[in-house]
Amino acid sequence: AQSVSQHNHHVILSEAASLELGCNYSYGGTVNLFWYVQYPGQHLQLLLKYFSGDPLVKGIKGFEAEFIKSKFSFNLRKPSVQWSDTAEYFCAVNAINTGGFKTIFGAGTRLFVKA
Amino acid sequence: EAGVTQFPSHSVIEKGQTVTLRCDPISGHDNLYWYRRVMGKEIKFLLHFVKESKQDESGMPNNRFLAERTGGTYSTLKVQPAELEDSGVYFCASSQTGWGEQFFGPGTRLTVL
Repeated sequence: AQSVSQHNHHVILSEAASLELGCNYSYGGTVNLFWYVQYPGQHLQLLLKYFSGDPLVKGIKGFEAEFIKSKFSFNLRKPSVQWSDTAEYFCAVNAINTGGFKTIFGAGTRLFVKA
Repeated sequence: EAGVTQFPSHSVIEKGQTVTLRCDPISGHDNLYWYRRVMGKEIKFLLHFVKESKQDESGMPNNRFLAERTGGTYSTLKVQPAELEDSGVYFCASSQTGWGEQFFGPGTRLTVL
């Protein structure tokens, strides 16, 4: 069965620290990859996405993610976090199969950035 | 442009009762999805509509759940009868294409007592 694994459920960082959130998926076929973010009191929104091409993708607010196909990974990074990055982050995989598209989410990582 | 809206924002019902959740997608989005998140767990796919047709309903837990999208606009998700394990946040999302970015609503928090 397809699944998405996020390595950390909770991360606490100080401002200016670097961030890397791990995401691995299990699916052997073609995938589209996403990171969504939910800020406190707000809707889930797209942070960045990978469909094809350059495996290093850049998203909003200085976030980037790298798709490593051989490792089935799509880790999220940010060189220097800010207090406003406090949120919950979800990795999602859109598995493309003969039946169409199905989006599988990870369990989420809660990031708390200390001012 | 209005985003995805969901109603109600919260619902508290007793076991055995019926609840109907509503989702209004972004206008023009043919694809509509329902998801559920039980506390602390992953956001789990329930089903996917393309216009009024169910493209994929493999995530629906059981036959107590019924989703409809008459006319290809808004969608409803009915739970009848509700059980304790149905508690969670139900998200709706819509998209223009089946493989692209999904736009999420605020969710409906369902509590079954």
